Amino acid sequence: RKEVEQDPGPFNVPEGATVAFNCTYSNSASQSFFWYRQDCRKEPKLLMSVYSSGNEDGRFTAQLNRASQYISLLIRDSKLSDSATYLCVVSPNAGKSTFGDGTTLTVKP
Amino acid sequence: GAVVSQHPSWVICKSGTSVKIECRSLDFQATTMFWYRQFPKQSLMLMATSNEGSKATYEQGVEKDKFLINHASLTLSTLTVTSAHPEDSSFYICSAPRARNEQFFGPGTRLTVL
Repeated sequence: RKEVEQDPGPFNVPEGATVAFNCTYSNSASQSFFWYRQDCRKEPKLLMSVYSSGNEDGRFTAQLNRASQYISLLIRDSKLSDSATYLCVVSPNAGKSTFGDGTTLTVKP
Repeated sequence: GAVVSQHPSWVICKSGTSVKIECRSLDFQATTMFWYRQFPKQSLMLMATSNEGSKATYEQGVEKDKFLINHASLTLSTLTVTSAHPEDSSFYICSAPRARNEQFFGPGTRLTVL
């Protein structure tokens, strides 16, 4: 079993749609959780950290459920520019991170 | 602006040559840096942890004699792919943590071995 597992995808949605990605992790000692965005042939860029209380940043909402070892990302009112691969990242400590395989999102006009 | 740089951004070399990739933290010191590799349509896989002033720690399955890591200063780590072969062609990315929950990635180096 992989340490971090994500929805297989790909997700193809129309502009304005709401889309949710899920991620589960196996290491219960994990302390830090993130969603990264990676555009084709570029480095990953931090989208948002994920906190136990849940957090929101504009159209993006992240949730963490430690008991179930589950993380989610919700994107509301999808834009064409949201098309990318979204990586779930789990870290037991600063820096040494385990990446999920990523979920590809394509937002169509 | 970028806080972690990598050089070169891409390199094409012949099989059997060695390639050095540099990773620099630009406005902070990093006692630890991380090297990842990403093959097409796959996620990033941690190769090794680069430790300033001491030996690097390699992940299982990564040959330490093949991928030489040197962390000579608090702002520079280098990865040398020795005797590169076509199967080493990949996207190599470094990262450096600036704080407990702040990790910055370099822009990556695309290596193509002919």
